[in-house]
Amino acid sequence: EVQLVESGGGLVKPGESLRLSCAASGFTFSGYSMNWVRQAPGKGLEWVSSISSSSSFIYYADSVKGRFTISRDNAKNSLYLQMNNLRVEDTAVYYCARVGYGSGSYVHMDVWGKGTTVTVSS
Amino acid sequence: QSALTQPRSVSGSPGQSVTVSCTGTSSDVGGYNYVSWYQQHPGKAPKVMIYDVTKRPSGVPDRFSGSKSGNTASLTISGLQAEDEADYYCCSYAGSYSLVLFGGGTKLTVL
Repeated sequence: EVQLVESGGGLVKPGESLRLSCAASGFTFSGYSMNWVRQAPGKGLEWVSSISSSSSFIYYADSVKGRFTISRDNAKNSLYLQMNNLRVEDTAVYYCARVGYGSGSYVHMDVWGKGTTVTVSS
Repeated sequence: QSALTQPRSVSGSPGQSVTVSCTGTSSDVGGYNYVSWYQQHPGKAPKVMIYDVTKRPSGVPDRFSGSKSGNTASLTISGLQAEDEADYYCCSYAGSYSLVLFGGGTKLTVL
């Protein structure tokens, strides 16, 4: 079964750091680009970051650029999001999502995890 | 870059058709044929319903269809069913800088 499982969420104070992980199974992880997408409580979806299959291309939303770092370990079938200098407005459910194979963009996300919750509060 | 513009809510009765619009600019929706639509039920992860403007993934009912005209993409759901009640988000490629842009979401109510 194709599956993505996020972990690493929790409650932190403003300015602190957190590292999210996304474990992939049931497919050849190294062949797919991946995304992180977040959803603040009661709000819509917001794209956070993307990484190509071999990590050659990495992109960030302006709202997290310079504070978040996306990475992957294809040998471990895992995707990561290192989040530094967290702000209250980073509070959200964070989803990892697989980009559709052969997709010409990062917009087609065909598999999603259930998400992990990050709460930033003093 | 601003989010794509969607109506906050739409509604329809079972069996009817509804259309959800998604308005962007020539730098995103209008500039590329990379628009996806996601369905999200409360407390659940999003699910792709349409990608590349008009393509439907296997397993998605053919009641769901996508189209685009100029800077506006649309999702049409025909033969509405109770289980279609959910939030719907459009998503567009926005170039190599902004990359991915979501709409604000539309709540579909089946009356």
